[in-house]
Amino acid sequence: EVVMTQSPATLSVSPGERATLSCRASQFVSTNVAWYQQKPGQAPRLVIHGASIRATGVPARFSGSSSGTEFTLTISSLQSEDFAVYYCQQYNNWPPLTFGGGTKVEIK
Amino acid sequence: EVQVVVSGGGLVKPGGSLRLSCVASGFSFSRSNFNWVRQAPGKGLEWVSSITSSGSYIHYADSVKGRFTISRDDAKNSLYLQMNSLRVEDTAIYYCARESGSFDYWGQGVLVTVSS
Repeated sequence: EVVMTQSPATLSVSPGERATLSCRASQFVSTNVAWYQQKPGQAPRLVIHGASIRATGVPARFSGSSSGTEFTLTISSLQSEDFAVYYCQQYNNWPPLTFGGGTKVEIK
Repeated sequence: EVQVVVSGGGLVKPGGSLRLSCVASGFSFSRSNFNWVRQAPGKGLEWVSSITSSGSYIHYADSVKGRFTISRDDAKNSLYLQMNSLRVEDTAIYYCARESGSFDYWGQGVLVTVSS
């Protein structure tokens, strides 16, 4: 089973600042990694797939990158609507499909 | 407009059964793969089960294998999850999601509570 490890668990950021979220895979998963945003009481929403491809309708301030088994989601200038929990997921080696434990982006 | 609506959640006693339904529209249901994902209260996301467009390939998480059954009815644009021998630890919000590699469309989720 591929373990996805996200860090930090909580990220405190001021509006307008940059947020950098990390996700590490326990083994090679190519670029088959997605990022999801989840707000309280809502279903997750796809933000990034293929490690770096923005999903339809996602603002350009969201970007994804990868290096080996390290994956990064960057939000260049945080807006109020971006404060949420973000999960990474690998879909390269499955079953099982696996998610990271999540990073909560909160207002500083 | 894409719509994915999940129903069938509720309160059930340990050992009981429940059937979740997911109806989707706004895209080709019959050509889509689907998954069930759950989220225990205050916890992260856990993949539960998947089914391919043809229904030929089905997978389950070890935690539900032998107790849950995923199925689909393309004529009704519907996905199902039959949950038997429910345990307290199955308590969660259950989401259905279309899979195209990643999960691009999600239903709103339903709460399943297993408690005596």
